[in-house]
Amino acid sequence: AQSVTQPDIHITVSEGASLELRCNYSYGATPYLFWYVQSPGQGLQLLLKYFSGDTLVQGIKGFEAEFKRSQSSFNLRKPSVHWSDAAEYFCAVGAGNTGKLIFGQGTTLQVKP
Amino acid sequence: GAVVSQHPSRVICKSGTSVKIECRSLDFQATTMFWYRQFPKQSLMLMATSNEGSKATYEQGVEKDKFLINHASLTLSTLTVTSAHPEDSSFYICSAPHRDRGVNTEAFFGQGTRLTVV
Repeated sequence: AQSVTQPDIHITVSEGASLELRCNYSYGATPYLFWYVQSPGQGLQLLLKYFSGDTLVQGIKGFEAEFKRSQSSFNLRKPSVHWSDAAEYFCAVGAGNTGKLIFGQGTTLQVKP
Repeated sequence: GAVVSQHPSRVICKSGTSVKIECRSLDFQATTMFWYRQFPKQSLMLMATSNEGSKATYEQGVEKDKFLINHASLTLSTLTVTSAHPEDSSFYICSAPHRDRGVNTEAFFGQGTRLTVV
């Protein structure tokens, strides 16, 4: 069965520090992978996606993610976090080409001044 | 990028009444849309797949008679929560996949609807 695991429920980093949010997936074929960000009471904004090709994917707001097939991981990184990055982050895997997404549990990012 | 508009953003209703939530793809056609439910501090759980011109497909455990879905056109899907009860209070979000040459490239999400049943 397809599943997504985000091991870290809550992460706190200092502003300016680097960030890595972990994501592991279980999927039988080559996955479509996504990272979304959600501000409180809002919908989801796509940060980046991986379908194929280069395993290091660049996204918006300075985020990047690396697809590692051997580790079934798609970790999200940012070299220097800004206070405005505080939000909920969701990793998701696409169920084939259906457009349907399976989400991880989410990671809450808190940024200390 | 493509835009999905969801309305209303917030609704408070009395127990026993029905509430309709609209999801519109503003600048692209969507033969399929998805409805998710999100409990506080939790992830998004897929409720159903809305199919234009045919019946919706519901995930296991979702009551189709409680959550009525209508996909009347290529740009509009509606979710009606019938005979709402306090346990139906939640954040509901729709999404529409954008297709490019037959490939679903990305799912665009509505702003979400906060439903409170009192």
